[in-house]
Amino acid sequence: EIVMTQSPDSLAVSLGERATITCTSSQSLFWSSNNKDYLAWYQQKPGHPPKLLIYWASARQSGVPARFSGSGSGTDFTLTISNLQAEDVAVYYCQQHYDSPYTFGQGTRLEIK
Amino acid sequence: DVQLEESGGDLVQPGGSLRLSCAASGLFSIHNTDMTWVRQAPGKGLEWVSVIRSSGIAEYADSVKGRFVISRDILKNTIYLQVNSVGPEDTGIYFCAREATGDTRGLDVWGQGTTVTVSS
Repeated sequence: EIVMTQSPDSLAVSLGERATITCTSSQSLFWSSNNKDYLAWYQQKPGHPPKLLIYWASARQSGVPARFSGSGSGTDFTLTISNLQAEDVAVYYCQQHYDSPYTFGQGTRLEIK
Repeated sequence: DVQLEESGGDLVQPGGSLRLSCAASGLFSIHNTDMTWVRQAPGKGLEWVSVIRSSGIAEYADSVKGRFVISRDILKNTIYLQVNSVGPEDTGIYFCAREATGDTRGLDVWGQGTTVTVSS
C-alpha cells in the first residue's frame, strides 16, 4: 500500500498571502508510459463532500480558480494557494491514483490568520 | 447535470450488516465509469474503501476486504456497498464518487454521503 503523508497538519495564513501544502508518497507516482503523475488534490469544507481541485499533479479541474496550483513529480508534490481568500478555509487532501488501494493523505487544515 | 445520491445508512449493531446504495443520474452510465466508495469517520480524514471498475472488477482496502462487497446494477445506474460484520471502526459517512473519464483523472463527482453508525 502506498502511504501518503501531508505536511503540515494545519496552517494559518493571512488573507491575500500564499498557502503551501506538501504531500509525499512512499513510492513514485510517475507513470513513464504517459509521462503523468497519478496525484490529485481535493478541498473539503465542513458538511460537504470533497471537491476535486487538481489532477495529474498539476492540471486544474474545470471551474477551479487559477490561484490554486499543483506541482511536483515522483514522490514529492505541492499544492499552492495564492492570494488566499476567506472561502479557501477548508481541509485539503492529496490522493494517489497510481495503485490500488488509492490512498489519501491525512489532510491539512487551512485557516485564516 | 451529473449527480450521485447515496442512501441506506443507518444505526447498526456490532456484527451486523447494511447495504448502501448510490444512484447515479445525468448524462453518464456507471457501465462506462469506475465508481468508488470513500468513507470518513467522525472528525477524521478520508479513507478509500472500494472501487468497481467499468470492467466490473472490484478492489478493496485491506481494512474491509472479506467483509464489504461492492456491486452494481447497470439498468438502475446504481452501485451498492454491502457492509458486513461491522465494528465501531466502520462508523462514518460513506461517499460514493465517480472516477473522471477521458483525459482527466481523480474523483470528479461526489454524492452528499450516507451515515453509518455502529453501536449497541
